[in-house]
Amino acid sequence: EAGVAQSPRYKIIEKRQSVAFWCNPISGHATLYWYQQILGQGPKLLIQFQNNGVVDDSQLPKDRFSAERLKGVDSTLKIQPAKLEDSAVYLCASSVLAGELFFGEGSRLTVL
Amino acid sequence: AQSVTQPDIHITVSEGASLELRCNYSYGATPYLFWYVQSPGQGLQLLLKYFSGDTLVQGIKGFEAEFKRSQSSFNLRKPSVHWSDAAEYFCAVEGRGSTLGRLYFGRGTQLTVWP
Repeated sequence: EAGVAQSPRYKIIEKRQSVAFWCNPISGHATLYWYQQILGQGPKLLIQFQNNGVVDDSQLPKDRFSAERLKGVDSTLKIQPAKLEDSAVYLCASSVLAGELFFGEGSRLTVL
Repeated sequence: AQSVTQPDIHITVSEGASLELRCNYSYGATPYLFWYVQSPGQGLQLLLKYFSGDTLVQGIKGFEAEFKRSQSSFNLRKPSVHWSDAAEYFCAVEGRGSTLGRLYFGRGTQLTVWP
């Protein structure tokens, strides 16, 4: 069974530039999550989708972050404009059962 | 609000030694608790979970965890550590009500295994 796919694995940008991350969840998983993991901290939920609808985006900085999940499958997370404090690993996860998440390898963002 | 504390940032053990990683949670009702492991360059992988029932839960890779309500703890244990267990371990509690499905993670404990 294929796992959660994410790209790119690494991205370096300058502040005020934009970046987009892509995620393809495990087939059949209705729930998709984006987490932000800052160095030295545990992952923090940014947004949760159920199929193509948003369930929870209360911790998403909506002035600069946006996310969509077209057709209830793939998802894209965008940051525009990026700030230095956005440097982190962005983890995508999917699940069938609540709490039992399958994570991708993450996309590491460095903002200079 | 739900929260998780992992008091140990870094633990070092010798291969073959026993291991206990500590986790304390803050939650009013019976929590749903999880342990995840993150190997270098990899995503997080679920080790085990506690929803209800038997307070000692078994997971993958020989790990187990014990839920102790009186201590608000959910410590992870392994009787004999292997070098391949070197990784970062995260404890998490699931939110309820308006935050159902959201996992609140601790800051993680980095495990180093000496040969």
